[in-house]
Amino acid sequence: EPEVTQTPSHQVTQMGQEVILRCVPISNHLYFYWYRQILGQKVEFLVSFYNNEISEKSEIFDDQFSVERPDGSNFTLKIRSTKLEDSAMYFCASSAVGGNQPQHFGDGTRLSIL
Amino acid sequence: AQSVAQPEDQVNVAEGNPLTVKCTYSVSGNPYLFWYVQYPNRGLQFLLKYITGDNLVKGSYGFEAEFNKSQTSFHLKKPSALVSDSALYFCAVRGRGSQGNLIFGKGTKLSVKP
Repeated sequence: EPEVTQTPSHQVTQMGQEVILRCVPISNHLYFYWYRQILGQKVEFLVSFYNNEISEKSEIFDDQFSVERPDGSNFTLKIRSTKLEDSAMYFCASSAVGGNQPQHFGDGTRLSIL
Repeated sequence: AQSVAQPEDQVNVAEGNPLTVKCTYSVSGNPYLFWYVQYPNRGLQFLLKYITGDNLVKGSYGFEAEFNKSQTSFHLKKPSALVSDSALYFCAVRGRGSQGNLIFGKGTKLSVKP
């Protein structure tokens, strides 16, 4: 069964540095998402992406964050000037077109800011 | 605002017994409801969804869920629990928009003892 893949599985970064989290969505999916899960807390929506532009974003997704689909297969989340509170699991998801289509998640990237 | 509540932090069940993981929702309009499972160090795995139609929805691994509009509930059930069902379970509702983001509950830890 096709899967969403995320790299790296664990990223350790010094505070203030920039990180790029990478995702390869399922190949025939057209909607892409980023979520995050701070340890012990809910899974929170960050941003959705369709047709090479952001379709929706949450209050969390401020100017520190950006997303990009640099080629036909990758979908990236960039976090600039990382802060301690950015430490979390970051999940990428993708779905086919249609409101009834489930989102399929990758295994996540654990981001640790030191 | 759309929201989901999972009133139980943890559910303990003996292997072979039926299990129920509770979820209630608050939405305007018709809800699109989902259940996901998360095993340790893995992403969220889709179990089942309710969009429309029969109130009893069947999903993966023998799980089912019952949609109850009058009680605004979408409880996850399984007739006979397995030790391997032990995991974190998330209920989610789709946000506004045709491809809206998922709004998750806080999760319920299911523990199945032999």
